[in-house]
Amino acid sequence: GQQVMQIPQYQHVQEGEDFTTYCNSSTTLSNIQWYKQRPGGHPVFLIQLVKSGEVKKQKRLTFQFGEAKKNSSLHITATQTTDVGTYFCAGLGFGNEKLTFGTGTRLTIIP
Amino acid sequence: EAGVAQSPRYKIIEKRQSVAFWCNPISGHATLYWYQQILGQGPKLLIQFQNNGVVDDSQLPKDRFSAERLKGVDSTLKIQPAKLEDSAVYLCASSRKGQAEKLFFGSGTQLSVL
Repeated sequence: GQQVMQIPQYQHVQEGEDFTTYCNSSTTLSNIQWYKQRPGGHPVFLIQLVKSGEVKKQKRLTFQFGEAKKNSSLHITATQTTDVGTYFCAGLGFGNEKLTFGTGTRLTIIP
Repeated sequence: EAGVAQSPRYKIIEKRQSVAFWCNPISGHATLYWYQQILGQGPKLLIQFQNNGVVDDSQLPKDRFSAERLKGVDSTLKIQPAKLEDSAVYLCASSRKGQAEKLFFGSGTQLSVL
């Protein structure tokens, strides 16, 4: 079945440093979604990418969908304490329309 | 707009007991999902409803888990009997149409099976 892996599993960064998480799917995706889950909270939708090679920005966050539509990345510039949480990608497979969540990257910020 | 409502927020039971969770999705959302999130892992889909019909329940342990969506609105998820490995957060989510659109999650029910 479809598998979605994320690396790294954990990332500790100094406040102000950049952060990147990578998402890799075992199969080609129809689209990919990104969610953020704060400690003790529930996943909150951030963005959806549909096109091959697509890049979208939200303030300090940059999302990219790979050319082969099997990988994606989230980059945060100049992290702030409000960025703390676990970032999940979720890939939608072609045909089966099944959304599979990745393993997540937990970001902690050192003030 | 009101979000996805879930109850209870926390539940502690002993193994072999039964438990039920309730979810009310965002008004007008046709698709409702139940996810299981074990600590440190990503959400795993248990069951997906489109209106009041089941679209996908391939990962639902049907010998102990059951779910229904009455009249295509709110939904209940039941576990009977519970096992230790069922300890997790049970998240309900909804979307307007299907998984190609963004999901709105409820606050979840944290289940501890002792």
